[in-house]
Amino acid sequence: EAQVTQNPRYLITVTGKKLTVTCSQNMNHEYMSWYRQDPGLGLRQIYYSMNVEVTDKGDVPEGYKVSRKEKRNFPLILESPSPNQTSLYFCASSTGGNSNQPQHFGDGTRLSIL
Amino acid sequence: GENVEQHPSTLSVQEGDSAVIKCTYSDSASNYFPWYKQELGKRPQLIIDIRSNVGEKKDQRIAVTLNKTAKHFSLHITETQPEDSAVYFCAAPRPNTGFQKLVFGTGTRLLVSP
Repeated sequence: EAQVTQNPRYLITVTGKKLTVTCSQNMNHEYMSWYRQDPGLGLRQIYYSMNVEVTDKGDVPEGYKVSRKEKRNFPLILESPSPNQTSLYFCASSTGGNSNQPQHFGDGTRLSIL
Repeated sequence: GENVEQHPSTLSVQEGDSAVIKCTYSDSASNYFPWYKQELGKRPQLIIDIRSNVGEKKDQRIAVTLNKTAKHFSLHITETQPEDSAVYFCAAPRPNTGFQKLVFGTGTRLLVSP
């Protein structure tokens, strides 16, 4: 089954404790992206990747890191999480090397930073 | 950069009525306009999209229209049903980023009452 898999689905942690949210897709998609969803603000892009070893900042990259060492994986790293990073996070992927194609979303990761 | 504004933020209709959600964009070079539906607690899923070389696209009860001159595109749902209740997001890739960055509208919460 074609899918985007995120882990964990839920996480409660404390300020400053490094965490990684994994994202994996099995559709051989070139483009992958991370979004955060907050009430009233919709989905905002954090980082995106056009292909292996090619990443760039979205609209809200502060406090986040990503890597794209393999085509299928695109982890989101919070080196020193803060309470303002409490949010619902979605990973997405699409064919082609840009966002001009339908995005396939994962099921989301709800992060709470205390 | 591309800005996408979405209206209304909430929309309540009776079952069987039509619903219309409108998005405006700022960059006339934008060429791809998707709509996503997000049911409560679920991931966003593409329901319909349109490219700039057509003015309208239909899929059963759902249609999207594009007015390139006025720079707006709209989602039309006819004969609404309770299962249409969800949050709907429009989006547009940013041409000045090589269509790499994707910007979403802030969402419309549609409530269809039986």
